[in-house]
This record gives sequence, C-alpha cells and structure tokens, in this order.
Amino acid sequence: QVQLQESGPGLVKPSQTLSLTCTVSGGSISSGDYYWSWIRQPPGKGLEWIAYMYYSGSTYYNPSLKSRVTISVDTSKNQFSLKLGSVTAADTAVYYCAGSYSSSWYTLVYWGQGTLVTVSS
Amino acid sequence: QSALTQPASVSGTPGQSITISCTGTSSDVGGYNSVSWYQQHPGKAPKLMIYEVSNRPSGVSNRFSGSKSGNTASLTISGLQAEDEADYYCNSYTTSSTVVFGGGTKLTVL
Repeated sequence: QVQLQESGPGLVKPSQTLSLTCTVSGGSISSGDYYWSWIRQPPGKGLEWIAYMYYSGSTYYNPSLKSRVTISVDTSKNQFSLKLGSVTAADTAVYYCAGSYSSSWYTLVYWGQGTLVTVSS
Repeated sequence: QSALTQPASVSGTPGQSITISCTGTSSDVGGYNSVSWYQQHPGKAPKLMIYEVSNRPSGVSNRFSGSKSGNTASLTISGLQAEDEADYYCNSYTTSSTVVFGGGTKLTVL
C-alpha cells in the first residue's frame, strides 16, 4: 500500500518561495507504475490541481500556476518536491501530494494527509 | 481552465438516494471517460470513491455509483447514511493533458 507524507515549512513570507517535499513509502517512485501530483485547498474552499509528473521527468502544470511552479523528483530518496515562487496570501492552503497509477494518471488514488502552508509576513 | 460545475450543497435523509452532478465541457467531462469522485470529511484528505466515470475502488461501498451523459457526470449515493455527510469533488482529465476539479458539493444528512 503506497503511503505519502508531505513535509516543509508551515509559514512562508510573501514574495518568497514555498518548498514542500513528499516522501513515498510502500512503492518505488521510479518504478514507472505511478504518476505523482500536487493539489492544494485554500481554507474553506475547493481543491485545485497544481501539477503532476512521471519519474522520468515529464511534467504537466496547471496553466494558471505554470509560471511560478516547479516539481521535481529525487529517486534516491523516493521523494518528489514542489516549489512555488513569488507567493502571496492567496497561496495559503493545505497542500496535498498524491499518487496515481500510470494507466490512469488523472485518478488520484493515494493521498498524503496534507500540510497547511500560511503565507504571511 | 475553468472549474467543473457542481451544486454547492445537497441534502437527504437516512435511507434516501441523492445525486450530485458535475458539469463540464466537451474538452473535459464530455470528451473522456476520466471522471473521478472524491469524498472529503472535515480536516481529512480526500478519498477516491469512483474512477473512470463508474468504477468503484476496492473497499468502497456499492451504495456509491457513477454515470455520465454528455458533458455531465453524476454521483449517486443510495441508502444514505450519517457517515456519508461530507464534501464531494469530481475531477476530469482535459484536452490540455491537465486535470480540473469541480467546486465541491457539501452533502448534509438530515
């Protein structure tokens, strides 16, 4: 059973870069069996898909965030990461990492518990 | 990309059936059999309930079912139970190789 755990600072200053890491257990990030995604949820609001990637490095981004987002993978640590630049208060949200099977990458099967990131000075 | 359209709230009494709709366009919901539904209880991560329009993952109650007609997908919960009270989200693959979510529906069990 694949399990995911997000980690990173809970507070980021405006204009800085938000950096989060997702550690995967119970499955190999480089096996080719999975795709890996980031999703966020502002307090009291709905889910917003941020980006997804394959272990090979193929990435796809939400067009509305593309200019500020980078996702990457560290196969040696079985982790993947999210960087979101030039953050504002509107980026305050619970950030989730998720995993999908490569046959249906848009189906988010496995979810981390989520981590709240607050953007504030 | 615009969010898929869901009703803000639905309600029902125990034992009833309810249906939540998810309306998109031919570029997402209508163009692919890729709609998923997620259940989210307060303070918890979303849980996959239906994938590829009408398939249930192992362990999900058969009281949950999905369907699609044109650009609108639907989630039906039969034999409503108190534990079904939660927020429900749909999502879909899009022609841009991205994913779009619905705005979410709050289900209240009266």
